[in-house]
Amino acid sequence: ETAVFQTPNYHVTQVGNEVSFNCKQTLGHDTMYWYKQDSKKLLKIMFSYNNKQLIVNETVPRRFSPQSSDKAHLNLRIKSVEPEDSAVYLCASSLRDWGYAEQFFGPGTRLTVL
Amino acid sequence: QQQVRQSPQSLTVWEGETAILNCSYEDSTFDYFPWYHQFPGESPALLIAIRPVSNKKEDGRFTIFFNKREKKFSLHIADSQPGDSATYFCAALTGANTGKLTFGHGTILRVHP
Repeated sequence: ETAVFQTPNYHVTQVGNEVSFNCKQTLGHDTMYWYKQDSKKLLKIMFSYNNKQLIVNETVPRRFSPQSSDKAHLNLRIKSVEPEDSAVYLCASSLRDWGYAEQFFGPGTRLTVL
Repeated sequence: QQQVRQSPQSLTVWEGETAILNCSYEDSTFDYFPWYHQFPGESPALLIAIRPVSNKKEDGRFTIFFNKREKKFSLHIADSQPGDSATYFCAALTGANTGKLTFGHGTILRVHP
């Protein structure tokens, strides 16, 4: 099956803990993204990688750090989570085509910070 | 800074009517405008997209109308069906070499049978 896969589906944790989310795509794409979707459904890009290289790094708190081992994987680590980090984190991928390519989204990881 | 504005926040239409969703943008260098839809419990998925070389793009019941001069574009859903009920996001490519999309806040569309 070719798609964007994310783990875990849900994660509940307490303020100050560290969490890691995984994303893998089997679509053969070379660009991957992390988005945050808040409770009001607003979608905001956080990071983008092309062939393991960081190409977009939006203004996000420094406790967020992406990690890419190869072009098919892009993980997200959050050190010392805060209540405002509660959201759905969506991973996406595309085939870089001067930016006009369709982005395919994974199912998301819902983070709840108590 | 809000670069893509979307309205209305929510829209209710009857089955068979045309739903019209609106977006505007600020930067005239943006040159790719996709619409994504997101069904409850699912992830966003591309519906239709347009580049400003055209002022109209059709795909079945879905049509984008684009006004470059006024920096506005809209999605028209003809013959709306209850299955069209979803959140619709317009977006603009704000980073041509990076694939960076900036999304509007979304329009929640409800189609009543």
